[in-house]
Amino acid sequence: IAGITQAPTSQILAAGRRMTLRCTQDMRHNAMYWYRQDLGLGLRLIHYSNTAGTTGKGEVPDGYSVSRANTDDFPLTLASAVPSQTSVYFCASSLDRGASEQYFGPGTRLTVT
Amino acid sequence: GQNIDQPTEMTATEGAIVQINCTYQTSGFNGLFWYQQHAGEAPTFLSYNVLDGLEEKGRFSSFLSRSKGYSYLLLKELQMKDSASYLCAVSDSNYQLIWGAGTKLIIKP
Repeated sequence: IAGITQAPTSQILAAGRRMTLRCTQDMRHNAMYWYRQDLGLGLRLIHYSNTAGTTGKGEVPDGYSVSRANTDDFPLTLASAVPSQTSVYFCASSLDRGASEQYFGPGTRLTVT
Repeated sequence: GQNIDQPTEMTATEGAIVQINCTYQTSGFNGLFWYQQHAGEAPTFLSYNVLDGLEEKGRFSSFLSRSKGYSYLLLKELQMKDSASYLCAVSDSNYQLIWGAGTKLIIKP
C-alpha cells in the first residue's frame, strides 16, 4: 500500500441496507476524515478522528458512524442507507489536525436506490 | 455562518495566465488551502497560505489577504492538463476545513 486506499470503488445499494466503506492509510498520519462530495457543493465533512481511539462529528454526521481502532483504518458505516446518501465519499488523512495538508483516497461512488 | 465563494466556471486559452479568486467568511482562520481535482479523481494539494502575500511554486502562485478575506490562485503558461476543478478551503478556529464548491477551469487550445 502506498498512501491511502478506499474500498469499494463503487457500489449500488438498496435503501435500508447497511454498508461499510473502508479506508486505510500507511503514512502513520494521526488525523483522518470522511467527506462527501455532491455536484455543485463543496466537500462536506461527515466525521473525523484526531488520533486512534477518538472520533468527532463533522458538518453532516446524521446517518453515519465511524470507528478508529488503530492508526491505519477508519471505516465509515451507513446503518440504514437512504437515497439522499447517494454521493462520492472521500477518505483523507493528515499528519495532524492542525494546519497540515490532507491526502485523499481515490473515493467511493455510492448509489442508494 | 461560514462561507467560501469562488466562481463556478472559467475558460482560458492554452499558454495564457488565469487567476481564480476565492473570498471567505469563517469563524477564525488557520490558513487557506488550494487543491486541484481532475474529473473523477481525488483532490490533490497545491498550496497553503497562512500569512499575507504571494507564495510561488513553479507555474502556480497563491496570494492571501487576511484583512480582505481574499485569496487567488494564479496559473501561468496554461497547459491542457490544467483543465480541472480548483478547490479553495479555509481552516477555521477548530482546524476544520471549510470548502468552496470549486471552480471548473476549461482550457482551450
